[in-house]
Amino acid sequence: QKEVEQDPGPLSVPEGAIVSLNCTYSNSAFQYFMWYRQYSRKGPELLMYTYSSGNKEDGRFTAQVDKSSKYISLFIRDSQPSDSATYLCAIGGGDSSYKLIFGSGTRLLVRP
Amino acid sequence: EAGVVQSPRYKIIEKKQPVAFWCNPISGHNTLYWYRQNLGQGPELLIRYENEEAVDDSQLPKDRFSAERLKGVDSTLKIQPAELGDSAVYLCASSLTPAAYEQYFGPGTRLTVT
Repeated sequence: QKEVEQDPGPLSVPEGAIVSLNCTYSNSAFQYFMWYRQYSRKGPELLMYTYSSGNKEDGRFTAQVDKSSKYISLFIRDSQPSDSATYLCAIGGGDSSYKLIFGSGTRLLVRP
Repeated sequence: EAGVVQSPRYKIIEKKQPVAFWCNPISGHNTLYWYRQNLGQGPELLIRYENEEAVDDSQLPKDRFSAERLKGVDSTLKIQPAELGDSAVYLCASSLTPAAYEQYFGPGTRLTVT
């Protein structure tokens, strides 16, 4: 079992839809839950992150952590074609290694 | 503020040839990371530096890969000799400290080994 699992997609939605992107993880000790956006042929860009549990909102983006289920989500409201990219979750803080474990990414396509 | 700079952006070499990648992190970031990203996968850590010291190189294939970070700023990752399976995107990232999990990535170097 991989430490972090993410559905590769692709996920295709119409413009304006609410998008839900998810990851599951295996190590209950993880404390940092990151979301990165990666456009084609670009490096990952940090979108937002949460520490421990709970929700965090930033504009159209909301990150949620459910530690009891070992499940994290990123919601995108009013999705735009410019949101079309691969979304990577990354999880860390489970030990003293300061290492981030990345999911394989979900490819999102927002159709105009 | 300038982001993480990497060069070259693309590199095509024949197998058994050497190749080197360069990274300049965000100013003031003491921690530097090299990752490898295969097609359709997330980045995988190769090595982490705190200042000049390589503190986690457990995933670096040491028979052919080497890295250095002189003066605790720029870093170079080298492969010698390259193999077909080394074709990937090599990403450099930096963070203020190792405990700052916010890592900021450069654009990457896309390596193709033929």
